[in-house]
Amino acid sequence: QSVLTQPPSASGTPGQRVTISCSGSSSNIGNSFVFWYQQLPGTAPKLLIYRNNQRPSGVPDRFSGSKSGTSASLAISGLRSEDEADYYCATWDDSLSVFGGGTKLTVL
Amino acid sequence: QLQLQESGPGPVKPSETLSLTCTVAGASISSNSYYWGWIRQPPGKGLEWIGTIYYSGSTYYNPSLKSRVTISVDKSKNQFSLKLSSVTAADTAVYYCAKHRSGDGYNPSFDYWGQGTLVTVSS
Repeated sequence: QSVLTQPPSASGTPGQRVTISCSGSSSNIGNSFVFWYQQLPGTAPKLLIYRNNQRPSGVPDRFSGSKSGTSASLAISGLRSEDEADYYCATWDDSLSVFGGGTKLTVL
Repeated sequence: QLQLQESGPGPVKPSETLSLTCTVAGASISSNSYYWGWIRQPPGKGLEWIGTIYYSGSTYYNPSLKSRVTISVDKSKNQFSLKLSSVTAADTAVYYCAKHRSGDGYNPSFDYWGQGTLVTVSS
């Protein structure tokens, strides 16, 4: 049971915009940066968003992050089949790094 | 191009110590810009941060594992290592080493990852 709550699943059709939520508390998201990762099947996670809404070089601008209070969201616009993956949020909570439970995104 | 590679002796028996090494190529582990971390993922489950080390030797551990974890740096070999003692089946997981993004300190901002290595705890 993670301190960061994500929906276990999400879905969308190609071209759609989907959002994945990450809910925390004042001791974690409310007081720290949020990071997002994409994990394709059988591979290591990839950093998608850092410091709430910044994209590393090479990450398409279809991916965007936001944070408000104790919650954060990852939005994916122009959904593509290759976006089908697990997505994790992460942040610092008092004295440790924590990850959300993950959201499996299915592209229908 | 920075690369990380985990290595270890293979399966571990219950109550023994799990030992893994991460070899870094393309960057100096002694750089004062970088923190280095270990993350694990049990089969079919989510990610769990194990701990992080700075080149100076300062460490940050997950409180739930702190009594069993030691992370160290070997500057001469450009490696950092993980030791997890008194393992049980619950420690079976893919173990990843990773580099924290420069400028984010020890925040969970990992921009380079190893491919991961499955460690099975079984008698």
